[in-house]
Amino acid sequence: ILNVEQSPQSLHVQEGDSTNFTCSFPSSNFYALHWYRWETAKSPEALFVMTLNGDEKKKGRISATLNTKEGYSYLYIKGSQPEDSATYLCALLHGSSNTGKLIFGQGTTLQVKP
Amino acid sequence: EPEVTQTPSHQVTQMGQEVILRCVPISNHLYFYWYRQILGQKVEFLVSFYNNEISEKSEIFDDQFSVERPDGSNFTLKIRSTKLEDSAMYFCARTKASGEETQYFGPGTRLLVL
Repeated sequence: ILNVEQSPQSLHVQEGDSTNFTCSFPSSNFYALHWYRWETAKSPEALFVMTLNGDEKKKGRISATLNTKEGYSYLYIKGSQPEDSATYLCALLHGSSNTGKLIFGQGTTLQVKP
Repeated sequence: EPEVTQTPSHQVTQMGQEVILRCVPISNHLYFYWYRQILGQKVEFLVSFYNNEISEKSEIFDDQFSVERPDGSNFTLKIRSTKLEDSAMYFCARTKASGEETQYFGPGTRLLVL
């Protein structure tokens, strides 16, 4: 069974702190990794789609790296703000089909205190 | 980012009743997905749909579930006879193409089966 794991499960930081969390996945049959930001009562918001080993993507204060050989991706938030509080989900595109099925991790819930 | 809408936002139903969840399409998005998240668990894939046909379905997607896109209008998920364990947040997602393309999620329908 394909399993995607995220750590930590939750994180509490002070405003201005930088933080990072991990997504681990099986490295075989890798196609793509998606990162989403999900605030309660809103749609999960797409952050990044990463496909290449060594890929690094950035969106404002948020960036992500990808290591497909060892099967992990890191998400970094520089200078956390209260509005960054959300659950961050990673999802692996299942490698055995082209139908776009995403396998999700359990998410990391970030709480940024003012 | 394309806006994805779902209706209703919340639904409460009695066990054994039929429910229909709706997702409003974007004209140039060809691939549709349903996912769900049972409280406290991971977001899990239910079904993908392309060109008016199911592309892939998970083992959760049994005979009680069906999807259709009648007349190119709303993309619907029907649960024929709801069970208590069907209580979950149901997300619709769409994308222009499969694989590496971003999947855009709706805000979800919270289904509660009593």
